[in-house]
Amino acid sequence: GQQVMQIPQYQHVQEGEDFTTYCNSSTTLSNIQWYKQRPGGHPVFLIQLVKSGEVKKQKRLTFQFGEAKKNSSLHITATQTTDVGTYFCAGLNAGGTSYGKLTFGQGTILTVHP
Amino acid sequence: DAEITQSPRHKITETGRQVTLACHQTWNHNNMFWYRQDLGHGLRLIHYSYGVQDTNKGEVSDGYSVSRSNTEDLPLTLESAASSQTSVYFCASSDLAATDTQYFGPGTRLTVL
Repeated sequence: GQQVMQIPQYQHVQEGEDFTTYCNSSTTLSNIQWYKQRPGGHPVFLIQLVKSGEVKKQKRLTFQFGEAKKNSSLHITATQTTDVGTYFCAGLNAGGTSYGKLTFGQGTILTVHP
Repeated sequence: DAEITQSPRHKITETGRQVTLACHQTWNHNNMFWYRQDLGHGLRLIHYSYGVQDTNKGEVSDGYSVSRSNTEDLPLTLESAASSQTSVYFCASSDLAATDTQYFGPGTRLTVL
């Protein structure tokens, strides 16, 4: 079945440093979504990428979708303590019968040291 | 405002007992999902439903069951709780006609002793 691998599992940064997490799928994706989970909270939708090579920005966050629609990345510029949490990518498989069913990566736990 | 709720938020039970976790959404979403979250494994899909009377197994469905008798609710039942089922459980829903964005409930922390 479809697998979505996310690296790194953990990342510690000093406040002000940049951060990147990578997501790779074993199959071509219809779209990819990113979620953030604050400590003790639940995953919250951040963004969805649909087009091959798409790049979207949300303030200090930059999301990319690979040309082959099998990989994605999230980059945070100049991290702040409010960025602390777990970042998940989630892929929707292209075609097949998995309509509406996302496959989540393992998540990257980001710690920001002030 | 529309929302998705889970109850209880915390539950401690004993091995072998039957446990039911409730999930209720007022988004009127067709799709509902149950995940468990364990460190190092991310969110793993247990069961999901595309509508009333529809249920499907996810990647870690053994020992769990669900039923969908109406649009709003998808209760998750652990038939005979095991210590390996100690986890945080999240319910989520999404709209059939939308972009498949999933909206998550606050989670239930289950401990099986």
